[in-house]
Amino acid sequence: QVQLQESGPGLVTPSETLSLTCTVSGGSISSHYWSWIRQSPGKGLEWIGYTYYSGSTKYNPSLKSRVTISIDTFEKQLSLRLRSVTAADTAVYYCARESDYDFLTGRSTGNYYMDVWGKGTTVTVSS
Amino acid sequence: QSVLTQPPSVSAAPGQKVTISCSGSGSNIGNKYVSWYQKVPGTAPKLLIYDNNKRPSGIPDRFSGSKSGTSATLAITGLQTEDEADYYCGAWDTSLSPWVFGGGTKVTVL
Repeated sequence: QVQLQESGPGLVTPSETLSLTCTVSGGSISSHYWSWIRQSPGKGLEWIGYTYYSGSTKYNPSLKSRVTISIDTFEKQLSLRLRSVTAADTAVYYCARESDYDFLTGRSTGNYYMDVWGKGTTVTVSS
Repeated sequence: QSVLTQPPSVSAAPGQKVTISCSGSGSNIGNKYVSWYQKVPGTAPKLLIYDNNKRPSGIPDRFSGSKSGTSATLAITGLQTEDEADYYCGAWDTSLSPWVFGGGTKVTVL
């Protein structure tokens, strides 16, 4: 059973860089897309970006100028760096695995969903 | 404000049925598949429905999904106390951020 565990500082100073790690256990990090998602207080889920196991990435246009997502397949970890944070970046941050596996046919469909999530880690931006 | 629109809350008595709507546009729900997630406080979000109406292994058939045009619906029948949670819809979007989500719906079992 694949499990994801986010970790990192719970408090970040405004204008500094938020750095989080997601550790993958119980399964392979290969052949999957891995996403970061966040939920600010009182708001819905916001997708931050993803990395493929090969290292290619795609980001939410609204955060693209400040975000870097990377992957270490040897350590089975993915990382999130968000620069120049403000109070608006206070949120619970989740990592999730994307899959396109069809449980009915056992085949890949190209239609992605997030099948495994971490429990999330709370990050507060405050001085 | 979330790209996909969900009602903030729904409620029903145990054993009853609730439906949660998720409204989007042609760039997301209208042309892409919808997935649904359950979030219980303190736990990781759980996948309930993928490809609009398919259940992963282990998800009871009390949970069902449907899609029509630019809207999707999650239905929970035979409501149980453990179904109290927040529910989110998600879909790819071809014009905005690749992934968009709803604001979440809190289900209360009366």
